[in-house]
Amino acid sequence: DGGITQSPKYLFRKEGQNVTLSCEQNLNHDAMYWYRQDPGQGLRLIYYSQIVNDFQKGDIAEGYSVSREKKESFPLTVTSAQKNPTAFYLCASSHRRHDEQYFGPGTRLTVT
Amino acid sequence: AQSVTQLDSQVPVFEEAPVELRCNYSSSVSVYLFWYVQYPNQGLQLLLKYLSGSTLVKGINGFEAEFNKSQTSFHLRKPSVHISDTAEYFCAVSADSWGKLQFGAGTQVVVTP
Repeated sequence: DGGITQSPKYLFRKEGQNVTLSCEQNLNHDAMYWYRQDPGQGLRLIYYSQIVNDFQKGDIAEGYSVSREKKESFPLTVTSAQKNPTAFYLCASSHRRHDEQYFGPGTRLTVT
Repeated sequence: AQSVTQLDSQVPVFEEAPVELRCNYSSSVSVYLFWYVQYPNQGLQLLLKYLSGSTLVKGINGFEAEFNKSQTSFHLRKPSVHISDTAEYFCAVSADSWGKLQFGAGTQVVVTP
């Protein structure tokens, strides 16, 4: 079955540590996205990538980094510079611009 | 710049009653509109989308939405809800040249017997 996988489902880290969230898709989509979700705030775009080896900052990129070395993979690193990293992180992909986005199941990150 | 406003943060509704979730957007260019549903601790699932054509869009699970360009709205409706419709619903608009989605803050629907 085609889809998007995110791992792990739950992640716990100590403050000051970098952590990388995995996102893999087998839909052959060109575009991939990372969102952060906080209660009552909807989804906010962190980074997006239209093509391999290219990515752009979204609305809240500070404290995050990404890479896009393969079409299928778009990992997100939450760095120690992110002031409030505890949140639910969602990865998505789409075939073309203005197409619907397909979402993964999410990773809930807790930093203490 | 585009923005999306979901006018209700929470909508309580009785089982088998109708529900309407309101969404307004602002954009100076043509828009593409989406409604997504999210069940607890899960990703988002597409309910329906408006790209062009008929302003009445039918989606999955008995939901439909109407695009109203003059009122810049895209309200979601279901004539009879089930307990299983309890979830959070997000309206989203894609309008910039690249096609990034802008999401509303979400509407929590709680269906009770």
